[in-house]
Amino acid sequence: EAGVTQFPSHSVIEKGQTVTLRCDPISGHDNLYWYRRVMGKEIKFLLHFVKESKQDESGMPNNRFLAERTGGTYSTLKVQPAELEDSGVYFCASSQGGSAMGEQYFGPGTRLTVT
Amino acid sequence: AQKITQTQPGMFVQEKEAVTLDCTYDTSDPSYGLFWYKQPSSGEMIFLIYQGSYDQQNATEGRYSLNFQKARKSANLVISASQLGDSAMYFCAMREGGGGSNYKLTFGKGTLLTVNP
Repeated sequence: EAGVTQFPSHSVIEKGQTVTLRCDPISGHDNLYWYRRVMGKEIKFLLHFVKESKQDESGMPNNRFLAERTGGTYSTLKVQPAELEDSGVYFCASSQGGSAMGEQYFGPGTRLTVT
Repeated sequence: AQKITQTQPGMFVQEKEAVTLDCTYDTSDPSYGLFWYKQPSSGEMIFLIYQGSYDQQNATEGRYSLNFQKARKSANLVISASQLGDSAMYFCAMREGGGGSNYKLTFGKGTLLTVNP
């Protein structure tokens, strides 16, 4: 069974540019999450999809970030325009619906560098 | 206040010895879950072990065990018989609420474990 995949693994862009990160969850997982780790700080929750609906987007930093999950499958996270403070590692995770434990399986992350 | 505190930025252990990684948490929710993840240098986050707030026994998964002390709000990870491949960053995380509602995880800052040969 394939795990959570993320693309690209690294992205270097200039301030003001746009970047789109993609996440493919484990097949059959209704729940998809985005997290971010900024250098030296904790991993922070960004948002949670249940199928194609946003269940919780309380962690999204501002309106420069836009997340979508087309058809309840893969998800994209767009940053437009990117700022220096957006640099960090963006993790995607997925979990099964109805799981009492709710363990989340993480992808390898996308390292974003804004210069 | 921090919800998850990992007080050890770095830890060293000799191969084949046991090591304990500390984690304390803060929540007023009676229902919560505690998780440990491992992040090797390759970057992926690997789920290790889970403890539910109502679980009567400490969780164990192979060489990993969770020393859950509810009254002290601690959930320390114990790795027995350390191996060189255990060298990684370890994160403690908490999910507040029952599994059917609030799913987001709150993470600690992590502990970098180095296993020496």
